[in-house]
Amino acid sequence: DSGVTQTPKHLITATGQRVTLRCSPRSGDLSVYWYQQSLDQGLQFLIQYYNGEERAKGNILERFSAQQFPDLHSELNLSSLELGDSALYFCASSVVKGSEQFFGPGTRLTVL
Amino acid sequence: GQQLNQSPQSMFIQEGEDVSMNCTSSSIFNTWLWYKQDPGEGPVLLIALYKAGELTSNGRLTAQFGITRKDSFLNISASIPSDVGIYFCAGQLDSGAGSYQLTFGKGTKLSVIP
Repeated sequence: DSGVTQTPKHLITATGQRVTLRCSPRSGDLSVYWYQQSLDQGLQFLIQYYNGEERAKGNILERFSAQQFPDLHSELNLSSLELGDSALYFCASSVVKGSEQFFGPGTRLTVL
Repeated sequence: GQQLNQSPQSMFIQEGEDVSMNCTSSSIFNTWLWYKQDPGEGPVLLIALYKAGELTSNGRLTAQFGITRKDSFLNISASIPSDVGIYFCAGQLDSGAGSYQLTFGKGTKLSVIP
């Protein structure tokens, strides 16, 4: 158990819908990262937050957004969902910027 | 963007054999990390490397940070059935703007034959 929690574990929804994925980092970790894992693209970095502020954006679609709240939990919002958005979404956290990242168990999103 | 070439893509080995896998990059990294992922689970950190040339062990696992900072390898000695899974290398580069995103290889799928 990495100490990073993610909910829900599984999510099934329809095209065009909007979903929110939630992540709680390890106790004391200030940085949160979101990654997408798909069969064809592998693990891809989406976005990073540090202590509530956005630090970096990767290959994140404009339909996707995220935020980190004062209690340091983070949410990833996916809207206007398409079939191709079906993937595993992982959250990772680290104590400080640049240190080892620990991954949560992921949320499996299925868009029908 | 940066890409990591991880090889081999898959391996079938006998229990007790040693395993070696590696990653190469067209760009340098400040940190190399190796993760293992079981089906339906999140990646689990195995080893982190912070200095060029560094050789680090974690039980039966040994990893090295290449001196050019563009490559890394992972060795597993005396494999056991629970070593089965997908192993990922990941490179991390401080962009100077506070970004510490990881760039992942495509993974090496390890199968151990008892």
